[in-house]
Amino acid sequence: EIVLTQTPVSSVVTLGQPASISCKSSDSLVHTNGATYLSWLLQRPGQPPRLLIYQVSTRFSGVPDRFSGSGAGTDFTLKISRVEAEDVGIYYCMQARQFPTFGQGTKVEI
Amino acid sequence: QITLKESGPTLVKPTQTLTLTCALSGFSFTDGVGVGWIRQPPGKALEWLAIIYWDDDKLYSPSLKSRLTIIKDTSKNQVILTLTNMDPVDTATYYCANVVADHWGPGMLVTVSS
Repeated sequence: EIVLTQTPVSSVVTLGQPASISCKSSDSLVHTNGATYLSWLLQRPGQPPRLLIYQVSTRFSGVPDRFSGSGAGTDFTLKISRVEAEDVGIYYCMQARQFPTFGQGTKVEI
Repeated sequence: QITLKESGPTLVKPTQTLTLTCALSGFSFTDGVGVGWIRQPPGKALEWLAIIYWDDDKLYSPSLKSRLTIIKDTSKNQVILTLTNMDPVDTATYYCANVVADHWGPGMLVTVSS
């Protein structure tokens, strides 16, 4: 099983300032087809998760461009260029190179 | 509009079998589609349980494989999950979602208690 480790576990951010979350994988997430199946999701309190980024850096439909993803191999990063109030919640990275697994989550607070 | 909706019992007793149904709307099991189940114990992280694909290929969580079964009813556009030998540690919100995680059901809390 591929284990994803997120840092930090929690983060207090300032409105309008940038924020960054790291996700490190126990194994390479590059599939034999060449794609890298690393996604980022946001779960707001009391809601199901919402997909933000897939295949490392592609924003899902309707996701603001202040969210960006980067990385390769085993190291990945989600960046928020300017945090807004609606960005609070728990962020999860998820891999789908093998049976899908999630990171343990990063709680973002204002 | 694509929607998924979970249904099933909200309370089960220890040792019982949990059966959950995911009703799909706005899409069906066409080429490449997969639907899976994820759970989240209160205050804890998300965990994929099982996935079923359009061609009936199935994947299970290695740690829960012996207790899980996933099937699809194409005629009803449903995905059904069973989890045997329920224990209080299985108390969680159970979600169904598209395998690429771009569409989720609202989730339902299942409590295991005698």
